[in-house]
Amino acid sequence: GNSVTQMEGPVTLSEEAFLTINCTYTATGYPSLFWYVQYPGEGLQLLLKATKADDKGSNKGFEATYRKETTSFHLEKGSVQVSDSAVYFCALSERQGAQKLVFGQGTRLTINP
Amino acid sequence: EAGVVQSPRYKIIEKKQPVAFWCNPISGHNTLYWYLQNLGQGPELLIRYENEEAVDDSQLPKDRFSAERLKGVDSTLKIQPAELGDSAVYLCASSLVTGKRRIGNQPQHFGDGTRLSIL
Repeated sequence: GNSVTQMEGPVTLSEEAFLTINCTYTATGYPSLFWYVQYPGEGLQLLLKATKADDKGSNKGFEATYRKETTSFHLEKGSVQVSDSAVYFCALSERQGAQKLVFGQGTRLTINP
Repeated sequence: EAGVVQSPRYKIIEKKQPVAFWCNPISGHNTLYWYLQNLGQGPELLIRYENEEAVDDSQLPKDRFSAERLKGVDSTLKIQPAELGDSAVYLCASSLVTGKRRIGNQPQHFGDGTRLSIL
C-alpha cells in the first residue's frame, strides 16, 4: 500500500541554521505531496504542497520539490527561527480510490536561540 | 473566518465507558474527516463525509466506533465502550471539494483535536 517515511527525530538546531527533513514515499501512480506542521497543543496546518513531478512548493521560507525519480519530497529552509519549533508531517494523497491523506510519523524540530 | 472547532479539548474516562467528540467544520466546507493520532505518530483517517454521506469508513472500527453528520454540517464521533488502547488525539478536519477537483489536492483544515485518556 501507499506509505510515507520521514527522517527520524527529534532534530535540534541552532537559530539561523539550515534545515533539511527527509521524506520519501511509496505510492502507485502519481500522488500529490504535502507538508503539514503541528505547533504544540494545536491541530495540523498545511505548510506547502506539490501536485506533480518537479513542482516546488514554498511557504514561510520553507521549500520542497517533488522528485519522482527518487520518490522524495524533502523539506528545506535556509535559516530557521525559534518559532519554527514544531512537529512536521509529510503526507501524500492517493490518486485513485478514496484519495485520502497518508501521513508519515512526523519529525519533531526544536530550534535553540 | 472561524476555523474547525472541536470539543472537548480533553477527556478522561474509565475503560468501558462511552465517550463522544464533537466537530464543527469551517462554514461551507462540504467534506469532513475524522482522524486518529496516536502518540508520536501521524494521523490516520477513520472516516470521511461528503455532506451527510459517509463515503469512506473503511478504517473505522465499527464494533465500538460510530459517527454521524446528520445535516451535513457538524459531526459527532462516539466510542462505546472505550478501551485502554483508544487513548489518543482525535482530530477533525474539513475541506471544500467542488466539481471535478481531485479530493486529494484540496487543503484540509484541522481542528485542535480532542485528547482522550482512558484510565
